Amino acid sequence: GAVVSQHPSRVICKSGTSVKIECRSLDFQATTMFWYRQFPKQSLMLMATSNEGSKATYEQGVEKDKFLINHASLTLSTLTVTSAHPEDSSFYICSASTTTNEKLFFGSGTQLSVL
Amino acid sequence: SQQGEEDPQALSIQEGENATMNCSYKTSINNLQWYRQNSGRGLVHLILIRSNEREKHSGRLRVTLDTSKKSSSLLITASRAADTASYFCATDAITGGYNKLIFGAGTRLAVHP
Repeated sequence: GAVVSQHPSRVICKSGTSVKIECRSLDFQATTMFWYRQFPKQSLMLMATSNEGSKATYEQGVEKDKFLINHASLTLSTLTVTSAHPEDSSFYICSASTTTNEKLFFGSGTQLSVL
Repeated sequence: SQQGEEDPQALSIQEGENATMNCSYKTSINNLQWYRQNSGRGLVHLILIRSNEREKHSGRLRVTLDTSKKSSSLLITASRAADTASYFCATDAITGGYNKLIFGAGTRLAVHP
């Protein structure tokens, strides 16, 4: 099956700093990548949809200046949490779809802790 | 906003028993998918059922879909301790020319040896 690599798996940072999370499709080209956020024991909340070569589409209530998404190539999308605050602490998961655009392949997630 | 809701929120059973999880959704769909998530990890795709299908099997998994009731169920037969995980249903929403998946609240399954 298709493999999606997400890095880092865990990051601890100070309040006010920025954190970049990478999501790579290793053996397929991902036209579309999705970024989700998940709080403990809760479901995944879609934050934004990232299309290669174009601006990301953000879900309602998600600050685009806070969560910068770049999808520079067909195998790489990045999420940058800018000026992180403790309330940004969460589990962030990326996923990618193949050209058939049906089932998703997920990265292993990034646990962000902002002190 | 979340489209799917699942019940039960948590399920605790013994090995060998069957586990049934239900999912309801609100809008029309092209397909419904079930995913599994081990604690602190990403999700793994289990099975996809299309809107014109009523039942689908994959190994010990059986999924049903009732589009008139906008509901689906996932049955895991002869459960094992390794099945302990959270299970999510996801429905597709076509928007802006591409599909996006909206996940339900999930069911936390604990299978005890």
